[in-house]
Amino acid sequence: SYDLTQPPSLSVSPGQTARITCSGDRLGAKNACWYQQRPGQSPVLIIYQDSRRSSGIPERFSGSNSGNTATLTISGTEAVDEADYYCQVWDTATAHVVFGGGTKLTVL
Amino acid sequence: QVQLVESGGGVVQPGRSLRLSCAASGFTFSTYGMHWVRQAPGKGLEWVTFISYDGSSEYYADSVKGRFTVSRDNSQNTLYLQMNSLRAGDTAVYYCAKDRADGYKTSHFWGQGTLVTVSS
Repeated sequence: SYDLTQPPSLSVSPGQTARITCSGDRLGAKNACWYQQRPGQSPVLIIYQDSRRSSGIPERFSGSNSGNTATLTISGTEAVDEADYYCQVWDTATAHVVFGGGTKLTVL
Repeated sequence: QVQLVESGGGVVQPGRSLRLSCAASGFTFSTYGMHWVRQAPGKGLEWVTFISYDGSSEYYADSVKGRFTVSRDNSQNTLYLQMNSLRAGDTAVYYCAKDRADGYKTSHFWGQGTLVTVSS
């Protein structure tokens, strides 16, 4: 099976840049997307096709994907960005959607 | 606007069955694939199943294959998940999600979820 690995947690100060990584074998050959899930809420799509921002998502969110790592970057992190973030791909070899384990972003 | 409303969750004993529903509105349901994704309490997201826009293709996670069945009624704009032989490990919030239709099985919009608790 295909696996995606994310760091369990990340802490940044307001205004700093947060970089959340997602690692997988030859991940750069797949199309990654990212979801944000605030406490008690449903997930929201923020990045699709590696680097495209979903409608209504602030410009401070950006994505990249190369080699074995996809990265979600939040520039000028705000308190409202405190949430869990999940990467996801579609593995055509197994016909399975695969989620990373999630990263809890703390803004303090 | 897009709305997805899940229903049918509740408390069920191990080994029993349950059927979840997801009522869709605000978009042309019959032209989009749909997902079920679940989240156990305090845990991450786990994909469960995907069904194509016309129901001709279905994909399942290994953990539910042979026990769960996804279906849809495009005339009623409703997605279903039939869950049989339920186990304690199936306890989770179950979300339905609309596919983005970009070929990469991206969940574009999510419902609010319905909680399934499997317990004796």
